[in-house]
Amino acid sequence: GAGVSQSPSNKVTEKGKDVELRCDPISGHTALYWYRQSLGQGLEFLIYFQGNSAPDKSGLPSDRFSAERTGGSVSTLTIQRTQQEDSAVYLCASGTGAHGYTFGSGTRLTVV
Amino acid sequence: GIQVEQSPPDLILQEGANSTLRCNFSDSVNNLQWFHQNPWGQLINLFYIPSGTKQNGRLSATTVATERYSLLYISSSQTTDSGVYFCAPGFQKLVFGTGTRLLVSP
Repeated sequence: GAGVSQSPSNKVTEKGKDVELRCDPISGHTALYWYRQSLGQGLEFLIYFQGNSAPDKSGLPSDRFSAERTGGSVSTLTIQRTQQEDSAVYLCASGTGAHGYTFGSGTRLTVV
Repeated sequence: GIQVEQSPPDLILQEGANSTLRCNFSDSVNNLQWFHQNPWGQLINLFYIPSGTKQNGRLSATTVATERYSLLYISSSQTTDSGVYFCAPGFQKLVFGTGTRLLVSP
């Protein structure tokens, strides 16, 4: 597509439930990132996929968080047993490395 | 990991004024981007600039990698320039600074 697409745009979930966030990167982009941004804060790195290499998961805050990227394209970020501190905007970006990265509009997650 | 410091943290300008935003980083990088986050939260890629100078309209950026800093210049500012400007250097993955919050008043 023309840009990075994320869904849903908004998600309200009850504490303890699992959620899945989806990212459709720009076609042909080999690199895909997940970041999150809490209210009024900067961006926190979560996970990085580059081609067929093993992902860099060093930013995942706990083992409740996981992500996969299928076929080198679509990525899903899963948060199990959500907690209130997981409330944030989750941002996905894709790129080729030579021209920088393009961000999607994000998924605003609210855990109540 | 890389430490990123942006200055100033807040900036208020009158429309038409010029400004310079600074980003200092602690380690060698092979990637550096400047982003503008508009009031609706969308992050817009302004420059991919691991080194050298680039210009795009009223905006330009310079990165001096050997001295570990980057500058973003905004000339003839407009109200639509308001938002938060993030510097994000890195080696492969980007590490974001805390940003400069810019308000341009008419």
